[in-house]
Amino acid sequence: ILNVEQSPQSLHVQEGDSTNFTCSFPSSNFYALHWYRWETAKSPEALFVMTLNGDEKKKGRISATLNTKEGYSYLYIKGSQPEDSATYLCAFDYGQNFVFGPGTRLSVLP
Amino acid sequence: GAGVSQSPRYKVAKRGQDVALRCDPISGHVSLFWYQQALGQGPEFLTYFQNEAQLDKSGLPSDRFFAERPEGSVSTLKIQRTQQEDSAVYLCASSLVNEQYFGPGTRLTVT
Repeated sequence: ILNVEQSPQSLHVQEGDSTNFTCSFPSSNFYALHWYRWETAKSPEALFVMTLNGDEKKKGRISATLNTKEGYSYLYIKGSQPEDSATYLCAFDYGQNFVFGPGTRLSVLP
Repeated sequence: GAGVSQSPRYKVAKRGQDVALRCDPISGHVSLFWYQQALGQGPEFLTYFQNEAQLDKSGLPSDRFFAERPEGSVSTLKIQRTQQEDSAVYLCASSLVNEQYFGPGTRLTVT
């Protein structure tokens, strides 16, 4: 059974704070690691696809790093805004399918 | 272009009723996935199609769940004799290479 964990489960921050959360995944059979942002009542939106150990990707104020040897990825949000409020999901891609973590629910208070 | 669409967006069913959930993938996407997301958990894999062929149905929780994609585009997930534990958001995703694009989901509530 492939286990993907995310922490924290939920997070409340003030507007302007920077924050980060973690995705832990198996260190074997790795193909890719995907990050999604899921706002209520909308479709999950792809943020990053990460494939190489040491990868760092950035999109605006959001960035992510990847360590495939130890099996973790960090997602960082710099200067959080209320519109960043969403659930952030990571998905471990082992080539045949995805296994999702339970998500981190972020609330950014104005 | 148009993304993945799902209908209905919300469905309330009485226990024992049959339901059918529809997914319209992105045009040209070969792969189609169904996931079930229970409250407080991540999406869990149900089944996977490549064109019209159902290649993996290992995640379907019981024989009350059935999925089809007869012409290799639109897919339907059918749940027979719904139970309360079937209450969840059902997500559909389509893919051309390895990145999955998701629909907004159907929230099913079984009363």
